[in-house]
Amino acid sequence: AQKITQTQPGMFVQEKEAVTLDCTYDTSDQSYGLFWYKQPSSGEMIFLIYQGSYDEQNATEGRYSLNFQKARKSANLVISASQLGDSAMYFCAMRERERNFNKFYFGSGTKLNVKP
Amino acid sequence: GAVVSQHPSRVICKSGTSVKIECRSLDFQATTMFWYRQFPKKSLMLMATSNEGSKATYEQGVEKDKFLINHASLTLSTLTVTSAHPEDSSFYICSARTSDSSYNEQFFGPGTRLTVL
Repeated sequence: AQKITQTQPGMFVQEKEAVTLDCTYDTSDQSYGLFWYKQPSSGEMIFLIYQGSYDEQNATEGRYSLNFQKARKSANLVISASQLGDSAMYFCAMRERERNFNKFYFGSGTKLNVKP
Repeated sequence: GAVVSQHPSRVICKSGTSVKIECRSLDFQATTMFWYRQFPKKSLMLMATSNEGSKATYEQGVEKDKFLINHASLTLSTLTVTSAHPEDSSFYICSARTSDSSYNEQFFGPGTRLTVL
């Protein structure tokens, strides 16, 4: 089974509106971490936000918030007040422990286009 | 802080040659470094995990003799693509983690675009 599933290959949003990018994950670990990264066309991976499995409150970082629903194993990214510069690929990722190593799994990504 | 560099950013080589890509953590000690491969418009595929001073752990399906990884110091890991072929053309990204538990994320390098002619 896929560890991280992103079901939206592409999304459009109007500038200044909010958008939600979906992410579901699969793990049997009790302790794990969830991440969102942004990848512009230049290729670098930019860390956006982190949610620990034991964190009771949803993580927020500026215009980014993570809607963490543990029972449903979902970790959706919400971007408020979209800007043109938000157009990029967005990857959801999970860190879990495997044989004493931290392993990271990435979803297939969602390409976000912000329209003026 | 937490800057990771990669060199070179782009490389074009002939089929059959070997290419070395360097990944450096500039302002922290990276106890663990990861190497990823990304095909166009696809996700990152983890190739291997390397811990300083020990052999890399390769993911299933990744040829150890093809993709040589060396993590000789806490600030440097290298990936050597040996006897490169056109199908090895890809975007290679490294990332690094610090043992400092206050940092949960891995820090990515800017990537290296390899084109094998």
